[in-house]
Amino acid sequence: GAVVSQHPSRVICKSGTSVKIECRSLDFQATTMFWYRQFPKQSLMLMATSNEGSKATYEQGVEKDKFLINHASLTLSTLTVTSAHPEDSSFYICSATNQDRGYGYTFGSGTRLTVV
Amino acid sequence: QQQVKQSPQSLIVQKGGIPIINCAYENTAFDYFPWYQQFPGKGPALLIAIRPDVSEKKEGRFTISFNKSAKQFSLHIMDSQPGDSATYFCAASTEGSGNTGKLIFGQGTTLQVKP
Repeated sequence: GAVVSQHPSRVICKSGTSVKIECRSLDFQATTMFWYRQFPKQSLMLMATSNEGSKATYEQGVEKDKFLINHASLTLSTLTVTSAHPEDSSFYICSATNQDRGYGYTFGSGTRLTVV
Repeated sequence: QQQVKQSPQSLIVQKGGIPIINCAYENTAFDYFPWYQQFPGKGPALLIAIRPDVSEKKEGRFTISFNKSAKQFSLHIMDSQPGDSATYFCAASTEGSGNTGKLIFGQGTTLQVKP
């Protein structure tokens, strides 16, 4: 089955620093990757959609300069939270799909970011 | 119009019961309706999904019922077990070009199955 690996699973960083989260499709080529943010006891909110080799498309209200997304290859997308602040603390989840495989969105295991 | 409304917010059933979670949508362009199960601190895992050309789909103890005219779909969990205690999300998307459409999630339902 399709597997998406997300790393790290947990990270604590100081306010003002940047943090990079990686999302890898292990056994398929991900033509599209999605990044979500989830606050405690809430639903997943889509932050951005990225296609390999092109710029990410951000959802309304998501600061593109703060949440940098790079989808440089068909198996790797990264989300960098720049100049992190405590309000950026959240659970970040990636999802990957391949249009040639038909329907199916495979999710990573998530990254718990805590900014102190 | 992009929203997917999910109810109830929380649900408690006894072991062996059949919890039912409901979702409603407005966008008639949606053509893929998955259900996800999420445990604390983990990413969502696909349980079962349906397309609008069928009214029901069963996989193991999980059944989706789909009512295209009412724009509603629901998840039934047969013979529920304490291990089914988790948060369940419905979602919807449009095919667009292949399956690269955005997944829109419902608000989630926290299910507790009592022994």
